[in-house]
Amino acid sequence: GENVEQHPSTLSVQEGDSAVIKCTYSDSASNYFPWYKQELGKRPQLIIDIRSNVGEKKDQRIAVTLNKTAKHFSLHITETQPEDSAVYFCAASIDSGYALNFGKGTSLLVTP
Amino acid sequence: GAGVSQTPSNKVTEKGKYVELRCDPISGHTALYWYRQSLGQGPEFLIYFQGTGAADDSGLPNDRFFAVRPEGSVSTLKIQRTERGDSAVYLCASSRVAGAQETQYFGPGTRLLVL
Repeated sequence: GENVEQHPSTLSVQEGDSAVIKCTYSDSASNYFPWYKQELGKRPQLIIDIRSNVGEKKDQRIAVTLNKTAKHFSLHITETQPEDSAVYFCAASIDSGYALNFGKGTSLLVTP
Repeated sequence: GAGVSQTPSNKVTEKGKYVELRCDPISGHTALYWYRQSLGQGPEFLIYFQGTGAADDSGLPNDRFFAVRPEGSVSTLKIQRTERGDSAVYLCASSRVAGAQETQYFGPGTRLLVL
C-alpha cells in the first residue's frame, strides 16, 4: 500500500520567515495530495490540495509543489504568522482507493 | 452550512466494554470515512461508505470493529470488547461523492479512552 513520509517532524521559525514541509510517497498511482492543518484538540482542516496534472498551486501565503517523477510534494508557507502554529499533515490517495494516506505530521511553531 | 459532527466528543470506558461512536456528515454528502488518530500520528484510514454500503473496510484492525450507515447519512462505528490499545481519537470525514480527488471534510473527532 501507499506509504507517505513527512519531514521535518518539528519546525520552529520566526514570524515573517518562510516554512517548508516535505513529503514523499511510494505509490506512483497516487494522484491527489491534500494538506491539512490541525490545531490542538481541533479537527484537521484542508488548507490546500494539488492534483497530479498540476505541478504547483498557490493560495495567498500558501503554495504546494508536486514532482511526480521524484514522488515528492512540498508545502511552502511565506510570511509566517503566530496563528500558523499548528500540526500540518500531508496525505496522498490513489485512483482505485479513496482512503487518504497521511504522513505523521509536522509541528510548526511560529515565534513572534 | 453545518460541518461534520460527531458524538460524543469524549468517551471513557472500561476494558472489555462495548462502545458506539456516531458521525453526522455534511448534508448531501454521499461518501463517509472513518479514521483513527493516535497521539502524535496522522489519521489512519479505517473504512469508507458510498451511500449505505461499506465500499472499503480494509483499514479495520480486526473483527471487534464494525461500522454501519443504514440510511446513507448518519454512521455509527461500533467497537466490541474494547482494549486499552483502542484509545485514540476517532475522526469521521465526508465528501460530496466518493472519489480519489474529492475533498474530505473532517469532524471534530471522538476521543476514546479505554481504562
